[in-house]
Amino acid sequence: QSALTQPASVSGSPGQSITISCTGTSRDVGGYNYVSWYQHHPGKAPKLMIYDVSKRPSGVSNRFSGSKSGNTASLTISGLQAEDEADYYCGSYTRSNTWMFGGGAKLTVL
Amino acid sequence: EVQLVESGGGLVQPGGSLRLSCAASGFTVSSNYMSWVRQAPGKGLEWVSVIYSGGSTYYADSVKGRFTISRDNYKNTLYLEMNSLRAEDTAVYYCARGPYSGSYYDYWGQGTLVTVSS
Repeated sequence: QSALTQPASVSGSPGQSITISCTGTSRDVGGYNYVSWYQHHPGKAPKLMIYDVSKRPSGVSNRFSGSKSGNTASLTISGLQAEDEADYYCGSYTRSNTWMFGGGAKLTVL
Repeated sequence: EVQLVESGGGLVQPGGSLRLSCAASGFTVSSNYMSWVRQAPGKGLEWVSVIYSGGSTYYADSVKGRFTISRDNYKNTLYLEMNSLRAEDTAVYYCARGPYSGSYYDYWGQGTLVTVSS
């Protein structure tokens, strides 16, 4: 089971928008609308930001949005803020009651 | 308030065993799907195991036959019994509530570090 593919790093200036991609296969990302995104500040608990491809949990800023096309899901953060600097992971159901995550993307706010 | 607190990590020799615990508060472990996810140093998240509310359990191929997930309904605690540990099992282990609707994990603990080394 290989991890979902994410860029190792992304960056943007305050106020800008960035997009983080998450590429899988038809057996995971492309096969189910079960893609989720997590924000992780090292040493802290990961935080759910997006679920079921594009749904936002209560309390998560509407600056965070998700989408999917084929085997690639995307997380977009608009109006970048310094507090958004963190690692971001995508996750997906795959098959036979197993799940997988991406390798993580480190977001730097310049 | 939902809280998950992991414990039990530490240094163990290759081939050794360790049991991780995840004490939950603010909800009932046995009524939810509960999972373990790990992160090796410098790597991404890796799903490890899940226990369904009905008791069914599933494992990643990398740990199948060596790890066992379980829960104590009275203590409202999730466990991960790890045997035949290998260097590649070195990671921070997180417990998480979910996956909800087979999809996502809504609460996570802060993790406990397991180091497998001689």
